[in-house]
Amino acid sequence: DGGITQSPKYLFRKEGQNVTLSCEQNLNHDAMYWYRQDPGQGLRLIYYSQIVNDFQKGDIAEGYSVSREKKESFPLTVTSAQKNPTAFYLCASTEVGGYSGNTIYFGEGSWLTVV
Amino acid sequence: QKEVEQNSGPLSVPEGAIASLNCTYSDRGSQSFFWYRQYSGKSPELIMFIYSNGDKEDGRFTAQLNKASQYVSLLIRDSQPSDSATYLCAVNIMGSQGNLIFGKGTKLSVKP
Repeated sequence: DGGITQSPKYLFRKEGQNVTLSCEQNLNHDAMYWYRQDPGQGLRLIYYSQIVNDFQKGDIAEGYSVSREKKESFPLTVTSAQKNPTAFYLCASTEVGGYSGNTIYFGEGSWLTVV
Repeated sequence: QKEVEQNSGPLSVPEGAIASLNCTYSDRGSQSFFWYRQYSGKSPELIMFIYSNGDKEDGRFTAQLNKASQYVSLLIRDSQPSDSATYLCAVNIMGSQGNLIFGKGTKLSVKP
């Protein structure tokens, strides 16, 4: 089945540690996104990528890094510079310019907790 | 600053009633409008999208768009307890490279 796979679903990070969240899609979508959601809050855009080997900062990119070496993959690294990383992280993708009008589809999310 | 505003709720309706969820947006260049449903602890799932002024119906759901007044709404007919969730409004602005701006969501509670 086509979809977006995020892993791990739950992750614990120690202070000062970098962690990487995986996101893979087999929808042949061009664009991929990372959002952060805090309890009771909306979605905030961290990074997005429209094409392989290119990505752009979103509204809250500080303390995060990404890569887009393959169309299917868009991993997010939460670095030690991110002081408050505990949140629900959502990967998403969309077919740019398609009939769906850039409808964004989400993976199941990853919960990151600092211990 | 382009914004999407929703009442946070909670909005409480009895089972079988119509739930009405509203969303306003600030940018007149907005072109596409989306409604997502998010259950607690889960990722958002698309309910429907709308481009043109007027109504768009899909089963028990109807999206209504009024670009002149800059609002979009979602009606849920015959509300069920399983509809209890947070509903996110999202807006795609022309030139935004497909990025959506999300509201903070309205929490809906359907009482049996």
